[in-house]
Amino acid sequence: GAGVSQSPSNKVTEKGKDVELRCDPISGHTALYWYRQSLGQGLEFLIYFQGNSAPDKSGLPSDRFSAERTGGSVSTLTIQRTQQEDSAVYLCASSFRRVNEQFFGPGTRLTVL
Amino acid sequence: AQSVTQLDSQVPVFEEAPVELRCNYSSSVSVYLFWYVQYPNQGLQLLLKYLSGSTLVKGINGFEAEFNKSQTSFHLRKPSVHISDTAEYFCAVSDLNSGGSNYKLTFGKGTLLTVNP
Repeated sequence: GAGVSQSPSNKVTEKGKDVELRCDPISGHTALYWYRQSLGQGLEFLIYFQGNSAPDKSGLPSDRFSAERTGGSVSTLTIQRTQQEDSAVYLCASSFRRVNEQFFGPGTRLTVL
Repeated sequence: AQSVTQLDSQVPVFEEAPVELRCNYSSSVSVYLFWYVQYPNQGLQLLLKYLSGSTLVKGINGFEAEFNKSQTSFHLRKPSVHISDTAEYFCAVSDLNSGGSNYKLTFGKGTLLTVNP
């Protein structure tokens, strides 16, 4: 079956611009996660959605970062006024329920010039 | 807070040699443990997981790992590696005593396994 998909695969933007990154989870998975993978920092948890519950936003690094999940499926991670330190690979994952195997998408490589 | 240490950032080995990638986590009574593999320009793929039961866990591609509670370790092993095993390997922990945030995975910084002919 189809796995987690993310778009775009690569995004180059100028400092100060806003970007939107999209994640399509595996159908039927109720939990969705965003992680950031950057050199020197490894993989960092950003945000978690579970069904209709309030998301856990505790990993978002600043108020420039926000995410939403519409209809319990597709999720969008938005970064406003991008900075060079936002350059990283943003990974999305989904799972059938919490505390279960997370299936990862291929990621979006963001480069902020 | 939970932390995960992968002691080797890079491990070069020759094809058909055995390999062990080490992972230690900070102490906790109850954890779930995972090993993920990341091939170049791809997402993470689950190799194996420990949730409960037998401490020796077998995964895909001939990998296995042993959960050692007293040493808080979860080392990954393969008796004979192939060129195609060249990738980055991540150990991850879910802390079941994290006050309801047990869905969060804490990752190690990764070990780059390079298999040479």
